[in-house]
Amino acid sequence: NAGVTQTPKFRILKIGQSMTLQCAQDMNHNYMYWYRQDPGMGLKLIYYSVGAGITDKGEVPNGYNVSRSTTEDFPLRLELAAPSQTSVYFCASRPFFGGTPDTQYFGPGTRLTVL
Amino acid sequence: GNSVTQMEGPVTLSEEAFLTINCTYTATGYPSLFWYVQYPGEGLQLLLKATKADDKGSNKGFEATYRKETTSFHLEKGSVQVSDSAVYFCALTLSGGSYIPTFGRGTSLIVHP
Repeated sequence: NAGVTQTPKFRILKIGQSMTLQCAQDMNHNYMYWYRQDPGMGLKLIYYSVGAGITDKGEVPNGYNVSRSTTEDFPLRLELAAPSQTSVYFCASRPFFGGTPDTQYFGPGTRLTVL
Repeated sequence: GNSVTQMEGPVTLSEEAFLTINCTYTATGYPSLFWYVQYPGEGLQLLLKATKADDKGSNKGFEATYRKETTSFHLEKGSVQVSDSAVYFCALTLSGGSYIPTFGRGTSLIVHP
């Protein structure tokens, strides 16, 4: 199993540009999450999904959009990038049945800089 | 609401020293408690967990005991190594719903040879 994969690893955007951060998992997990981690800070939840076709906002959803058309993929879309979105973005997944209950599995992260 | 409070870092230790990282929580209900570790340049990974009061989680020489009476889940290790240098996150999850965890802010550990 590859686990949770994220692309790209690094990206520099100009203010106003848009991009999609890709996240995929091959563990057949129902739940998927997007977090951002600012320097010296903990994790803030952006969006989450409890299954294909179902998404919901987290703590800091403004400026972002998500979709979940398959169990495996959970892309995060940034529209009109702003310097405040400079951060490291982590995708995570969690099984509904089986595996270690309640444990989240994290991807390696995407480091995004908006200039 | 739910919250997790961790001691501020960085915690700087010499190799083979004893480690304690404090974690306390507030929660409505009966949470499961977790410690995650983040090595430089990587994502978080589960270090250990406990799902009910008085449970002890352990892994790689680290231990933490779920103390309901003091609402705490302190992380300990008897003898740290340079390779333990990382950021440690305490977290809680309540059963039901979407299982959204609440994370602490993280504590950086630096171990010198």
